[in-house]
Amino acid sequence: DAGVIQSPRHEVTEMGQEVTLRCKPISGHDYLFWYRQTMMRGLELLIYFNNNVPIDDSGMPEDRFSAKMPNASFSTLKIQPSEPRDSAVYFCASSPGLAGGKTQYFGPGTRLLVL
Amino acid sequence: AQKITQTQPGMFVQEKEAVTLDCTYDTSDPSYGLFWYKQPSSGEMIFLIYQGSYDQQNATEGRYSLNFQKARKSANLVISASQLGDSAMYFCAMREGFIIQGAQKLVFGQGTRLTINP
Repeated sequence: DAGVIQSPRHEVTEMGQEVTLRCKPISGHDYLFWYRQTMMRGLELLIYFNNNVPIDDSGMPEDRFSAKMPNASFSTLKIQPSEPRDSAVYFCASSPGLAGGKTQYFGPGTRLLVL
Repeated sequence: AQKITQTQPGMFVQEKEAVTLDCTYDTSDPSYGLFWYKQPSSGEMIFLIYQGSYDQQNATEGRYSLNFQKARKSANLVISASQLGDSAMYFCAMREGFIIQGAQKLVFGQGTRLTINP
C-alpha cells in the first residue's frame, strides 16, 4: 500500500508569494495531521482533521496559514503571504481512526525555503 | 513547562551495544500514550513503538523496547544490539487523553541524535 504522499518535496519561493502544500493520506485513514519541523521549535502540530473536519487548529501560527480537506483523499496547507520564518519541513501524517491514538504515519515531508 | 523532555542531545555508541535513550514526560491526565519515532538523515519520520498509560507490560517491537516507569514519568527507549543503520534522530512524543474520546494530538520532545560507531 502507498504511504502518505506529499507534494512538492521541495519548494523554494520568494517572500510574499503564496505557497500550497499538498497531502494524500493513506486510503481509509480517518485522521489527517499537518506538522511543522524547525530547528528552533522542533516538531509541532499545526492542525488536524477527522473525517475531513478540522478538529484542532490551535497550532496554526497565524492567519497567513490555512488548511483544507475537501475530501478524504486530499488536503492542502496554504501560506499566503509567505515569510522567511516559514522556512521549515512540513509533514503530513494520517492515522486509522481510533487506532491512530497509537500510531500516526508520516509522509516524507515538504522542505520549504522562503527567500 | 515542557511536556516531553529528552535530556540527551547526542549519543555515541559502539555497534552491537545496547543503547538507552531517555524521555521524561509531564502530564496530569490519567490516560496518555507515549511514542518513539526515528528520523534518519533522509528526513522521514518512522514510527517505532507505542506504550499506553494503562498497559501493564512494557512495549516491545523487535530490537526496540520501551522501559516505562510510570511513577517516575519516564519512557526510555532501549535498542538492543545496535546497528549502523540505527544512526538517526530519535523523538519521544506523548498523546494526552482517551483514544476513545478522539484524543490524537501528539507533543514531541526535542530529540536525541544517536550515532552508531563501527
